[in-house]
Amino acid sequence: DAGVIQSPRHEVTEMGQEVTLRCKPISGHDYLFWYRQTMMRGLELLIYFNNNVPIDDSGMPEDRFSAKMPNASFSTLKIQPSEPRDSAVYFCASSFQVDVGGELFFGEGSRLTVL
Amino acid sequence: DAKTTQPPSMDCAEGRAANLPCNHSTISGNEYVYWYRQIHSQGPQYIIHGLKNNETNEMASLIITEDRKSSTLILPHATLRDTAVYYCIVSDAQGGSEKLVFGKGTKLTVNP
Repeated sequence: DAGVIQSPRHEVTEMGQEVTLRCKPISGHDYLFWYRQTMMRGLELLIYFNNNVPIDDSGMPEDRFSAKMPNASFSTLKIQPSEPRDSAVYFCASSFQVDVGGELFFGEGSRLTVL
Repeated sequence: DAKTTQPPSMDCAEGRAANLPCNHSTISGNEYVYWYRQIHSQGPQYIIHGLKNNETNEMASLIITEDRKSSTLILPHATLRDTAVYYCIVSDAQGGSEKLVFGKGTKLTVNP
């Protein structure tokens, strides 16, 4: 398996523009997670899905952020409108199971810069 | 908030064992200890996890004290490629990893 695939790897945009980050989890994994990493705040869990259903979105910063998982092989994280403080590396991760210590597999991340 | 305390940085000589400590004095009976690492510009990578007993895999060993208030990750023969930030995490759910809370971690530098 190719692992968790994220796109784009790098995105530079201007404030106010819409940003869409994409993730393809590992086939067969039924959990999908979106994390954000900044120097100030470290790695933060934004939202996670189980069987395509959002389970916990308490980490989503505000209404400008939205995430969807239309099917088991694809998820998007959208920021509209984007702001400079959204600049960060966004990681997607997937897991087969999370009980009894299921391992999370992370993608390479999408580095977002909002000017 | 992270439930663990780790030193911010450590150094290790190549070929020697790297022992990374972690304090988790408030861990509850059904919480696991997980270790992940993040090599520069990459996504975090799972290393190992445990509940009570010591664990070993091809990457590392995990030693958990009997009172479970602290643990040590051991990389038996560190290489330059082991330079990374190492995160010690206590699961935030009942035995599950769906809400792993990453702290600041320990920046391990392996020197030639």
